[in-house]
Amino acid sequence: AQSVTQPDIHITVSEGASLELRCNYSYGATPYLFWYVQSPGQGLQLLLKYFSGDTLVQGIKGFEAEFKRSQSSFNLRKPSVHWSDAAEYFCAVALGGYQKVTFGIGTKLQVIP
Amino acid sequence: GEEVAQTPKHLVRGEGQKAKLYCAPIKGHSYVFWYQQVLKNEFKFLISFQNENVFDETGMPKERFSAKCLPNSPCSLEIQATKLEDSAVYFCASSGGGEQYFGPGTRLTVT
Repeated sequence: AQSVTQPDIHITVSEGASLELRCNYSYGATPYLFWYVQSPGQGLQLLLKYFSGDTLVQGIKGFEAEFKRSQSSFNLRKPSVHWSDAAEYFCAVALGGYQKVTFGIGTKLQVIP
Repeated sequence: GEEVAQTPKHLVRGEGQKAKLYCAPIKGHSYVFWYQQVLKNEFKFLISFQNENVFDETGMPKERFSAKCLPNSPCSLEIQATKLEDSAVYFCASSGGGEQYFGPGTRLTVT
């Protein structure tokens, strides 16, 4: 069965610092890959997705992610974090379009002044 | 609409009562998904629909849970005889091109 690992449960960064959130997946093939963000009491907002092609994908809010097949990873990055980025970030995978999504356990991002 | 709509936002039920949740997918999306978020972070897939047909129900509890997506009506998720362990946030998502867009969720509290 597919699985998603987010090894960092909680990360604290200073405002303006760079950010990298890690995600590894276990799958038989290259799945569809996603990053979602959830603010307290809110739903999930799609930050970016990877289906195929260019392995560096750009998303909303200045986020990007890089797919590395050899490492089964899809890490999320942002060059300069803003206080409003504090939230829970979920890496997710699916076998294909229209298939159920499997989520990691999330990484809680805290941003300090 | 441009967003997935879910109602109600909050639902409180006594143990043993019925709970019914609604979801209106994004217009033009033909796939609808239901997920249960428990313990704040753990997402569990319940069921998905392609239009009004069940597409994948591998996550659906066999007892007490049922779901429908009928033409020209919001999709619904119904829990008969709720239990304390059903307390969770239930998210609906819709898809039209591969990625899923999520609604704001319905928080169900079973007392």
